[in-house]
Formats: sequence, C-alpha cells, structure tokens
Amino acid sequence: GNSVTQMEGPVTLSEEAFLTINCTYTATGYPSLFWYVQYPGEGLQLLLKATKADDKGSNKGFEATYRKETTSFHLEKGSVQVSDSAVYFCALSATTSGTYKYIFGTGTRLKVLA
Amino acid sequence: DAGVIQSPRHEVTEMGQEVTLRCKPISGHDYLFWYRQTMMRGLELLIYFNNNVPIDDSGMPEDRFSAKMPNASFSTLKIQPSEPRDSAVYFCASRAETDNSPLHFGNGTRLTVT
Repeated sequence: GNSVTQMEGPVTLSEEAFLTINCTYTATGYPSLFWYVQYPGEGLQLLLKATKADDKGSNKGFEATYRKETTSFHLEKGSVQVSDSAVYFCALSATTSGTYKYIFGTGTRLKVLA
Repeated sequence: DAGVIQSPRHEVTEMGQEVTLRCKPISGHDYLFWYRQTMMRGLELLIYFNNNVPIDDSGMPEDRFSAKMPNASFSTLKIQPSEPRDSAVYFCASRAETDNSPLHFGNGTRLTVT
C-alpha cells in the first residue's frame, strides 16, 4: 500500500542553520509528492510539490527533490528563521483502484531559536 | 477567494450531546475531505466526497459519526452522541479536479467534549 515516513521531531535549530527533514514513501505507480506546513492554530498550507521523478519543488527558500531511486522527498532550507517554526508534513497523492488517496506523514515539529 | 471556511472555530460540549461541524469549500473544488487531528494519532482522514458523493468513508470511527454534502458549497460532520475521546481538531479541506492539485485546508474546529 501507500505510506509516508518522516523523521521524528522535534527538531531544534539556531537561526541561520541548515535544515533537513527526511521523508521517504512507498507507493504503487507514480504518486505526486507534497510538503505542507502548519502554524499554530491554523490548518495545513501547501509549501511545495513535485509531480514526477527528478522534479524539484521550491518555495520561500525551501526545496525538495523527487527521488524515485531512493523513494525520498527530503525537505531542505539553507538558512532557517524563527518564523519557520512550525510543523511540517510530507504527503503523497495517488489513485489506487479508482480511489483517490492522499497520505500524510506524522509531521515534524521545527523550533528555531533566535 | 476566501479559502475553505469552517465553523465554529471552537466547540465545547458535554458528553452525550450532538455536535455539528460545518464547512464551505473553495468554489469550484470538486473534492471535499474531513480530517481529524490529535496529538496521539496525528492527522486521520475520516471521509471524502467527490461531486457531493461520499467516496471513501472507511476512516469514520463509528456510527456516531456521519457526514453529508447536500450541495457543492456546504458539508457537515455530525457526532451524535459525542464522547470525550472525540476531542480533537477537525479539519475540512478541498481540492480541484485537476490531477496533482493540492489540498486547501480550513483553520479547523477545535472540539472539546467534557
């Protein structure tokens, strides 16, 4: 079946540090991959996406590359800010037997210290 | 566009009472999803609709939960009778029909059952 596994949090970094949040997936066929961000008291918001192998999604300094050979979609940012503190969710979408599935990881909490 | 609108933002009720959560999806979106988020279980898909028809309700916990979508611009999630273990944040999300479209989430309803 389809699943998403992302690293356990919380991740605590100092401002301007480099960020990596690991995400791997299992899926039949060719899923689309997403990163969402959730700020306190809000719903999830799309951060970036990639729809096929070797695609790179990017937004607000965050990047992730769709790696089919390693079934991974790791999130990176070169220099984090305090305002990046949030929970980050990796997700995939796929259609299986005519049913649309959107699978989320468990979320990784990021705390950035000034 | 106003985004996905959920009401109420907060609901506090006593065990045994009926609770109704409401959602207005983004205009033109053909898919609507109901999720539940808790610390223990993360983000769980309860049910989703396509063109107002329920497609997958396998995540609905039990018969106390029901969801309807009487038209393209409105959906409800009802819990009757409510129990303390139903306490969670309930999110509604919608997406367009286009392949690889992301989910757009509302800000959620925080339900507390005492």
